[in-house]
Amino acid sequence: KAGVTQTPRYLIKTRGQQVTLSCSPISGHRSVSWYQQTPGQGLQFLFEYFSETQRNKGNFPGRFSGRQFSNSRSEMNVSTLELGDSALYLCASSPRENYGYTFGSGTRLTVV
Amino acid sequence: DQQVKQNSPSLSVQEGRISILNCDYTNSMFDYFLWYKKYPAEGPTFLISISSIKDKNEDGRFTVFLNKSAKHLSLHIVPSQPGDSAVYFCAASPVYNTDKLIFGTGTRLQVFP
Repeated sequence: KAGVTQTPRYLIKTRGQQVTLSCSPISGHRSVSWYQQTPGQGLQFLFEYFSETQRNKGNFPGRFSGRQFSNSRSEMNVSTLELGDSALYLCASSPRENYGYTFGSGTRLTVV
Repeated sequence: DQQVKQNSPSLSVQEGRISILNCDYTNSMFDYFLWYKKYPAEGPTFLISISSIKDKNEDGRFTVFLNKSAKHLSLHIVPSQPGDSAVYFCAASPVYNTDKLIFGTGTRLQVFP
């Protein structure tokens, strides 16, 4: 079966712009969570969605937002990009909360 | 195709006993292996790692064993404590670069009194 698909794989944006990243979970998985990975901070939790509802949110500013659609696909949006937002953004899907996660390959965002 | 496999989705262990979490991989080019621990609504945090030149690495109650010929690694927690209850991810990389990590699906460990 197809894995978790994240698009695009690579993205270059300038400061002040906004960006939307997409995550398609494994078929049947209803939970999608997002993480930011940077060399210094490791994997930081952004938010988690289950059946279109945001269940948990990490300690990130309001510039970071997300949503989940009825088909479980999820998007995250970052507005007013800052240089420090440059990171690898990982999405993981699971059939239910806290169980059986599958990670996507990530979207590498570079802000210049 | 899952290159890193954690075949046990959950494990229950009594407090004070040993917890053994297993991980298998298929890519012989993997050179660096890590274990992460994840609590609900948090990101996975690094726990312990091992490079392919070693077969064992120990850090306090946590020991990781690597069997390259079997493409298998395991995490031993001794003694297990209730605070160890979390999801544990195995991850592998072909180089010393966490951007290249391939994660397993995780094993949920529950340590009961």
